[in-house]
Amino acid sequence: DTEVTQTPKHLVMGMTNKKSLKCEQHMGHRAMYWYKQKAKKPPELMFVYSYEKLSINESVPSRFSPECPNSSLLNLHLHALQPEDSALYLCASSQRDTYSYEQYFGPGTRLTVT
Amino acid sequence: GDSVTQMEGPVTLSEEAFLTINCTYTATGYPSLFWYVQYPGEGLQLLLKATKADDKGSNKGFEATYRKETTSFHLEKGSVQVSDSAVYFCALSGGNTDKLIFGTGTRLQVFP
Repeated sequence: DTEVTQTPKHLVMGMTNKKSLKCEQHMGHRAMYWYKQKAKKPPELMFVYSYEKLSINESVPSRFSPECPNSSLLNLHLHALQPEDSALYLCASSQRDTYSYEQYFGPGTRLTVT
Repeated sequence: GDSVTQMEGPVTLSEEAFLTINCTYTATGYPSLFWYVQYPGEGLQLLLKATKADDKGSNKGFEATYRKETTSFHLEKGSVQVSDSAVYFCALSGGNTDKLIFGTGTRLQVFP
């Protein structure tokens, strides 16, 4: 089963709200990723967790805070976002974080910041 | 640095036409190459991959061959369907980076 699940599917939040995005995989993958995708653009990498430790942070603003509670779960905590943060947020996982292992993506959370 | 270049879209075809979406890459070393597809309102799905020169990836009637001499990984399908309408992303990993490097994406529109 090559499934990555994400909740919620849609989220509308104000600039002063705190919310969290959740991602789960049960493939035994040891690397998990957060991407941001704007309309008509490819996904942009935000964070990589490898063996539950943060290995890459692509200079993402601190209003985005990732968390990896265990090897199957990945959260993205959101606080004081800006309207330009509205986008599709994609989670992905791979067997390992080395190049030969393909990444499997979830369906995404469509975030709107008002 | 590593990069992927895809043909500009949209590509507009009639059902049962032959499809080619061009993809070329720049990378040091020996990257793995991927094609992902994104249907409207959905996440990315891995369509096919190739990990070394001359490998041919194939899935659901789509195929692509890793050509090191021309640094290309063109996507082909012999007979497209309306349900193939989506955005297709070529990507690489390896070379100078373990990150997934995407092309800009090519929108395919198939009409009955």
